Amino acid sequence: QKEVEQNSGPLSVPEGAIASLNCTYSDRGSQSFFWYRQYSGKSPELIMFIYSNGDKEDGRFTAQLNKASQYVSLLIRDSQPSDSATYLCAVTLPGGSNYKLTFGKGTLLTVNP
Amino acid sequence: SQTIHQWPATLVQPVGSPLSLECTVEGTSNPNLYWYRQAAGRGLQLLFYSVGIGQISSEVPQNLSASRPQDRQFILSSKKLLLSDSGFYLCAWSKTIEQYFGPGTRLTVT
Repeated sequence: QKEVEQNSGPLSVPEGAIASLNCTYSDRGSQSFFWYRQYSGKSPELIMFIYSNGDKEDGRFTAQLNKASQYVSLLIRDSQPSDSATYLCAVTLPGGSNYKLTFGKGTLLTVNP
Repeated sequence: SQTIHQWPATLVQPVGSPLSLECTVEGTSNPNLYWYRQAAGRGLQLLFYSVGIGQISSEVPQNLSASRPQDRQFILSSKKLLLSDSGFYLCAWSKTIEQYFGPGTRLTVT
C-alpha cells in the first residue's frame, strides 16, 4: 500500500500561471506535511510545512491541508521558469518518532516562458 | 546559521568494494541526523537516523551501516557494495520537525 502518492507529471504551466501540485496520503493519523523542491541533480530544499487544516501562505507559495480528505496541495502563484523542478511531498506517519519523513515520488513541474 | 556538508560529491566504485560516506553539520548541537537514498525512479528512502552519539536506528535491512562517532558527524558505510547500492545518498539534519538536506553524494556501483 502506497503511503504518499503524487502524480509524477510532468505538469506543464505557462509563465505567470498558478501551478497546483497535489498529494494524498493513506494514514489518517499523519501529523505534519512538507513540500520540498528538488532541481535536477540537486538535493531537496524545504519550501514549507503545514500541520493544521486550512491554508498556509509563504510568498508565492500556499500549502493547503484537508485531513478529512487526506489531501495536501501546494499552489505556486505567478509561476516562473525557475520554479521548474520536481516537487516532493512528505508526511510524518503516526507511530513514528524523531520526525521520520515518508516521501512521495514527486511531481515534475515545467514552467514554460 | 547551520550548514551541512557531505563528501565525496560523486563516487564510482566496483561491486564488492567498501564504502564510506561522511556528513557533518555546523552551527547547531545535538541534531537529529538522517541518511536517505534516492534511487532512479524511486522516492527518497530513509536508511538510518540518529538522535545522539552512538545511537543509530535502521529503517531498511541491507548491507549498509551507519555510525555517529561525534555529535555532528554521521557516517554511512558498507563492507561490500552491490549494484543495487547505486543512487543519490542524502544526509539530513533536524532540531524540530523540519529536515534540511545536504548536497548529496552520487554513488555509481559498476
